[in-house]
Amino acid sequence: GAVVSQHPSRVICKSGTSVKIECRSLDFQATTMFWYRQFPKQSLMLMATSNEGSKATYEQGVEKDKFLINHASLTLSTLTVTSAHPEDSSFYICSATSQGKNIQYFGAGTRLSVL
Amino acid sequence: AQKITQTQPGMFVQEKEAVTLDCTYDTSDQSYGLFWYKQPSSGEMIFLIYQGSYDEQNATEGRYSLNFQKARKSANLVISASQLGDSAMYFCAMREGWGTGTASKLTFGTGTRLQVTL
Repeated sequence: GAVVSQHPSRVICKSGTSVKIECRSLDFQATTMFWYRQFPKQSLMLMATSNEGSKATYEQGVEKDKFLINHASLTLSTLTVTSAHPEDSSFYICSATSQGKNIQYFGAGTRLSVL
Repeated sequence: AQKITQTQPGMFVQEKEAVTLDCTYDTSDQSYGLFWYKQPSSGEMIFLIYQGSYDEQNATEGRYSLNFQKARKSANLVISASQLGDSAMYFCAMREGWGTGTASKLTFGTGTRLQVTL
């Protein structure tokens, strides 16, 4: 299968700081990347869909100004959690795919803890 | 309305036995895809197997097979010869708009925790 790298795997930050998470497709060009959030013992909830070179499409209830997504190249998308607060603590995971591919390949996830 | 339903929050299976994880879905699309992912405690989501709605034969990948029953709207995962390393959360997911050429989102079920015992 294809390889998607996500970094960092874990981050602990103070309330009010911003955190950037990177998602890279290592062996294919990802025209579309997805960002999910997962609370403990729950399923994955889609936050936004990111197409290379265009603005991300956010799911209902997800704050665009809070969760900034950039997909500037075919191999990299970033999620920035701005002014993080304890309620933003969660597991964030990205996936990548491309046109014609049936499968979304996932990164290893980032566990964010906001103190 | 929930589109993917996994009714088994937890399952136990003995090593070397086969186990079936249930998944039912709901969609009005004629073209869709069904997927299974494995999530070990480390958190990564590992793709296992998929089935397109127009595929006539059930998908198989090694020890994994997908029992696709379109009329019943079910897509159960069968793991044969279970191994200790199979212990994990298993998520069923659906992608609508299959074959449109665009990459559309996955909708996930709530997952089933599988525990393989000696």
